[in-house]
Amino acid sequence: NAGVTQTPKFQVLKTGQSMTLQCAQDMNHEYMSWYRQDPGMGLRLIHYSVGAGITDQGEVPNGYNVSRSTTEDFPLRLLSAAPSQTSVYFCAVKRTGYGYTFGSGTRLTVV
Amino acid sequence: RKEVEQDPGPFNVPEGATVAFNCTYSNSASQSFFWYRQDCRKEPKLLMSVYSSGNEDGRFTAQLNRASQYISLLIRDSKLSDSATYLCVVNKAAGNKLTFGGGTRVLVKP
Repeated sequence: NAGVTQTPKFQVLKTGQSMTLQCAQDMNHEYMSWYRQDPGMGLRLIHYSVGAGITDQGEVPNGYNVSRSTTEDFPLRLLSAAPSQTSVYFCAVKRTGYGYTFGSGTRLTVV
Repeated sequence: RKEVEQDPGPFNVPEGATVAFNCTYSNSASQSFFWYRQDCRKEPKLLMSVYSSGNEDGRFTAQLNRASQYISLLIRDSKLSDSATYLCVVNKAAGNKLTFGGGTRVLVKP
């Protein structure tokens, strides 16, 4: 997953807390996206961006905010964490000719 | 009905054997198809794209059947290192949004 950096790798939050998951790429690609992965559900799209200043909702956007002020960064914000947001989160970057490259993931537990 | 469906397995495969499994998709407008591999507690990694005429990459062969709306993956001469979850991924005609199947788990045993 060279070129896509996700932080943190692990996080435990209390219900109601907020946090930001970071995703950064050094490949100057336009398309970035956030997925969550839950057992038996596959990966589901939360939000995506086709370039700086442009974002849109995916399949499961509720409870999450995103912004894309630069090409390199696409942070995902949890406004008020809920136990239902316990999941593994992946950032993905579309690389022309190489498909999608995923970050190493963030394991989030909300208690 | 899920847009992309896979048999979750596990498929228990003797080392050296051949294993094949399918993935069905519901949207006939789907344009691009991929197989990703995901190791336990790791991120998905692209295994191969699936082309209309079918394609092969070493021991891996992927096929697309648009009429019946399924793709398949065949692994020949299975290695212990092939043990993983294989994700079927479909890209709709519009935009870059991917839709993932739930994955098929393959366990290769000595």
